[in-house]
Amino acid sequence: RKEVEQDPGPFNVPEGATVAFNCTYSNSASQSFFWYRQDCRKEPKLLMSVYSSGNEDGRFTAQLNRASQYISLLIRDSKLSDSATYLCVVNPPSGYSTLTFGKGTMLLVSP
Amino acid sequence: DADVTQTPRNRITKTGKRIMLECSQTKGHDRMYWYRQDPGLGLRLIYYSFDVKDINKGEISDGYSVSRQAQAKFSLSLESAIPNQTALYFCATSDFRQGAVAQYFGPGTRLTVL
Repeated sequence: RKEVEQDPGPFNVPEGATVAFNCTYSNSASQSFFWYRQDCRKEPKLLMSVYSSGNEDGRFTAQLNRASQYISLLIRDSKLSDSATYLCVVNPPSGYSTLTFGKGTMLLVSP
Repeated sequence: DADVTQTPRNRITKTGKRIMLECSQTKGHDRMYWYRQDPGLGLRLIYYSFDVKDINKGEISDGYSVSRQAQAKFSLSLESAIPNQTALYFCATSDFRQGAVAQYFGPGTRLTVL
């Protein structure tokens, strides 16, 4: 099983739609979880951390399910500017601050 | 001004040439990282450094070397570039002294080896 797995997509949605991505991770002792956003040929940018209780930042909601070892990202009221690749990122329990990146899920929002 | 800068932003070179990619940060973070990104393969860690005296190999360090000249500077060298080192290279930083593991990336260097 790969360390971090994501559906590569693309997810094609119209403006205003709600879309959700899931990500699974293999190491049950992983400690920290993040979603990053990456625009084409640009650097990854931290979108939000993911907390056990779930957390929301505007139109974005992240959830963590430790029992099933998956993380989700929900985007409400999609904007054209949300078109990007979303990377699921996990901090494995190595005691160090290295991160394991998923390969990303591509989102395309159309008018 | 960007907190993490990389130079050059684009570079085309020939097989066998020595190349150095540089990374500087003004974030005051202690940890720095070098990644490469290839289509379909995602981000892969090349080297990382927890402080000036600490250098660690990542998953794909063969063919690369690094130098942490100061807390704010971390350079990546390709001693003898080969075509399969053509990729997008990113530098990243994190502030572990604050207990944080989230990483912040520079804008990237697009390297082409002919």
